[in-house]
Order: sequence, then C-alpha cells, then structure tokens
Amino acid sequence: SQTIHQWPATLVQPVGSPLSLECTVEGTSNPNLYWYRQAAGRGLQLLFYSVGIGQISSEVPQNLSASRPQDRQFILSSKKLLLSDSGFYLCAWSVDRNTEAFFGQGTRLTVV
Amino acid sequence: DAKTTQPPSMDCAEGRAANLPCNHSTISGNEYVYWYRQIHSQGPQYIIHGLKNNETNEMASLIITEDRKSSTLILPHATLRDTAVYYCIVISYRDDKIIFGKGTRLHILP
Repeated sequence: SQTIHQWPATLVQPVGSPLSLECTVEGTSNPNLYWYRQAAGRGLQLLFYSVGIGQISSEVPQNLSASRPQDRQFILSSKKLLLSDSGFYLCAWSVDRNTEAFFGQGTRLTVV
Repeated sequence: DAKTTQPPSMDCAEGRAANLPCNHSTISGNEYVYWYRQIHSQGPQYIIHGLKNNETNEMASLIITEDRKSSTLILPHATLRDTAVYYCIVISYRDDKIIFGKGTRLHILP
C-alpha cells in the first residue's frame, strides 16, 4: 500500500535561519506531489506542485522553494525564514490529476 | 483561485444528517467535484468525488444538481467526530494542481 512520510512534525526556527522539510512517498511511482501551507485561521494554500523529477510549479511568489531530486521525494526549502512563514505545512501526493490526493500528517513550523 | 463557494460555518445536531452545500457555477464538463475534510491539526482526508451522477460510499453521499452548478455533501448520521472543516474542490483532466477554498467549518452539537 502507499504511504506518505513527512518530517519533522513540529519545528521552531529563528527568523533568518534556513528551512528544509522533507516528504517521501512509498508504494507508487511517478506521483504528482504537492506542498500546501495553512496559516492560522485560513484555508489550505497551494505552494508548489510537481508532476515529475525536476519539474516544479510555483503557485505563490515567496521566499520558499521546492525541489524533487528523486521520483518520490519532495523537499520544501528556504534560505532565510520570515515570521510570516509560520504555519502548518502539508505534503500530498496523487496518482494523477483525476484521483484523490493523500496527505501527510503535516509539519507545524513556528518562526520566532 | 478556488472555483467553489461554501458557507464559512454550519451547525448540526448529533445523530442528524449534515448537509453541506457547495456552489461551482463555472464548472465545465470535464471537471470533477471532490470533497475533503480536515480535522484540527491533521492532514485533509478524502471523502468522495463525482462527475454527474450522485455518489455514495461508507462515509457520505454526494448529490450533484442536474446543471452541475452546485452539489451537497451529506453525512447521514453526524457524530462528534465529524467536526471538521469540509472542502469542496473542482478538478479537471487538465489540472495538475488541487486548489482548496476556505471550506465550511462544521460543528456537531451534542
């Protein structure tokens, strides 16, 4: 069966520090991968999505970036965190555009 | 931008049916209607999806109007564990991305 792993579960980082969140999927090949962010009291905002290795589409201009170095690995990064980067970050995968997406358990990031 | 409109919040008594509406007036013929829910501090959970016909599974029923401009998610016997934010999403064959709106916060009242 397919599973999605996302870590860490919680993270507290100082302003200006770098960020790296990792997401891996098991049990499937060539999944669509997604990074979402949920700020406090707001809905889910799509940040990046990827349909294949090295293919990244950005939805919202910001100081975050994403990479897909391997088929089932999706990484969210920042060189310098801002206070406004605090939120709940979710990784998700889907087989293709027409099937449901499955979400990881999320990373709660607090920038202090 | 999200292609759907949902009420921000709803209340439902425990044991009663919860009917959550969604408007998607600009939906096109090849677009599906998906429903997810997100319980506090967890990742969203898939509930059901449909194209034209009404659908039912072990979690819920999905009623899509004949013109497909709106739909209703029905939780037949709501329990306290159904308290969550429910998202209605429209996805097409051409879309690789899944965009969520603000959803409906459903409160189940004991």
